[in-house]
Amino acid sequence: EAGVVQSPRYKIIEKKQPVAFWCNPISGHNTLYWYLQNLGQGPELLIRYENEEAVDDSQLPKDRFSAERLKGVDSTLKIQPAELGDSAVYLCASSLGRTSGRDDEQFFGPGTRLTVL
Amino acid sequence: GQQVMQIPQYQHVQEGEDFTTYCNSSTTLSNIQWYKQRPGGHPVFLIQLVKSGEVKKQKRLTFQFGEAKKNSSLHITATQTTDVGTYFCAVYSSGSARQLTFGSGTQLTVLP
Repeated sequence: EAGVVQSPRYKIIEKKQPVAFWCNPISGHNTLYWYLQNLGQGPELLIRYENEEAVDDSQLPKDRFSAERLKGVDSTLKIQPAELGDSAVYLCASSLGRTSGRDDEQFFGPGTRLTVL
Repeated sequence: GQQVMQIPQYQHVQEGEDFTTYCNSSTTLSNIQWYKQRPGGHPVFLIQLVKSGEVKKQKRLTFQFGEAKKNSSLHITATQTTDVGTYFCAVYSSGSARQLTFGSGTQLTVLP
């Protein structure tokens, strides 16, 4: 079974440019997460989706970050405009979600390493 | 979200030595998860502990959940070079938010 797929794996852009990341979760996983991971730190949640509904976006900097999960499957995370401090690894994860009836293990994709120059 | 402190931040061991990382919370946890992230890789789920005093083993890895459900540990017996990576504990917040908060991780280096 395929794992969580993310693209691109690497992205280098200049500051003030827009950038978008794409995630395809594991088939059947209702919950999708976007995390940000800085070097030497643990992942930090940006947004969580239950199907197509964003149920927790309290950590998402809404002035420049946006996300969508159309049809409750694939998701995109966008930054516009990017700033130097946005350089990090952006991880997508998925889990079974509420249907499992318990706190799920999360399956992570390989991440997108963003460098803003 | 829930806060957890993880120590040590770094650990260097000789191959064959044991290794332990600790995760502590000031509040009672409903459960705790452990993840491993290899250098350049992504976090991979290892285990979830739910019960007070629970002990689970996976080959050379032993996971413990404290009696008060406020702390947890991961112990690796006779480390191997394949154990290299960063080990994170992670906890879900209480209530309906269900946000998973990761500890800062312990970066393990195994010297051959």
